[in-house]
Parts: sequence; structure tokens; C-alpha cells
Amino acid sequence: DAGVIQSPRHEVTEMGQEVTLRCKPISGHDYLFWYRQTMMRGLELLIYFNNNVPIDDSGMPEDRFSAKMPNASFSTLKIQPSEPRDSAVYFCASTAGTGAFYEQYFGPGTRLTVT
Amino acid sequence: SQQGEEDPQALSIQEGENATMNCSYKTSINNLQWYRQNSGRGLVHLILIRSNEREKHSGRLRVTLDTSKKSSSLLITASRAADTASYFCATDPNFGNEKLTFGTGTRLTIIP
Repeated sequence: DAGVIQSPRHEVTEMGQEVTLRCKPISGHDYLFWYRQTMMRGLELLIYFNNNVPIDDSGMPEDRFSAKMPNASFSTLKIQPSEPRDSAVYFCASTAGTGAFYEQYFGPGTRLTVT
Repeated sequence: SQQGEEDPQALSIQEGENATMNCSYKTSINNLQWYRQNSGRGLVHLILIRSNEREKHSGRLRVTLDTSKKSSSLLITASRAADTASYFCATDPNFGNEKLTFGTGTRLTIIP
């Protein structure tokens, strides 16, 4: 198995532009999580899905952030418009079964820089 | 504040020595997990310990859990240069909740 796949690995964009991050979870996993990691705030859960349905988006910082999971093998996290404070590493993770009882498999992350 | 707080924030030891990291949390949990993150990479699961377990081993890793003190420790024995990484504890703070809350991490450096 290729593991969790994220693209792009690096993204540099200007303030105000739309950014779309992509994630392909491990086949057969029914939970998908989006995290953001910064030095100041550590690793924060933004949103998670179960069977393609958003379960908890309380960690999404603002309306500028949105996430979708149109099918079991693909999810996107969109930021529109982007701001410099959105600069961070964004991780996608997936797991099978009841999410907290099983290990989460993380992707390599997307390093986003907003100038 | 973080559900999990690791201590120390940073640790440097000589190769071959043992490394101990601690994690404290605030609420009742179902289980506690430890993850490793190498620089520029995603997190990798190391070990999971359930709330009714007190100790668990996996290779050179030993994890203890004291639910009365709401704390856990991760011991890495006979450290190697490849163990250089950040280590995070993660807890599920509410029964039946799938969310994991990650701690602030301990940055471990193994000196060859």
C-alpha cells in the first residue's frame, strides 16, 4: 500500500489566492482527518470525516476554510482567500474502524507558505 | 491548553543511553498513543496503550500509563541516531469520541 498520499508537497502562494490541498487516504479506511501544524499552536485537528461525511469541523478556523470528501478515495481542503497566517504544514491522516481506538496513518504533509 | 503536555520539551542524550519522555493529560481517556515525527515528515504511530493497561512493550519501546496521575511515559532503550525525532502523545479525551488530541511534543536528539 502506498500509504496516505498528499499533494502538493509544497505550495507557495500570494495572499488572497485560493489554495487547494488534496489527500488520498489508505484504501479501506473509513475515517479521514485534516490537521494543521505550526510552531506556535502545535498539531491541531481541523475536521474529520467518517464514510465521506463530515463529523466534526469545530477546528476549522474560519469560513475561509472548507473541506470536502466526494468519495472514499479523495478529499480536499480549500482556503479562499489565503492569508499569511495560514502558513503551516497541513497533514491528512486516515484510519479504519473507530478512529480513536486505532492508529492514524499520516501523509507526508503539504507545506503551505502564503506571502 | 493542550490535552497532552510532554516533558521535557527537548532532550539530548548520547547514543546508547536510554531516553524517557513524559506526557500529562487532563481528562479521562480511552487510550493513549505515542507517535514519532522525523523532521519534514508525517507522524508515525509507535504504540497504543489502553486505559486498563499499565505497561506495554514494543521492541526497544516501553510505555507506562498511570490513570490516577493522568500521566504516561515513553522509554526508548539503547538509543540510536535514527531515534532523533519529535515524539508526541495523543489522547482521546471523551469516551466514544474519535478525535485525538496531540501534545506539544518532545524533541529528542541522539548524539553519535
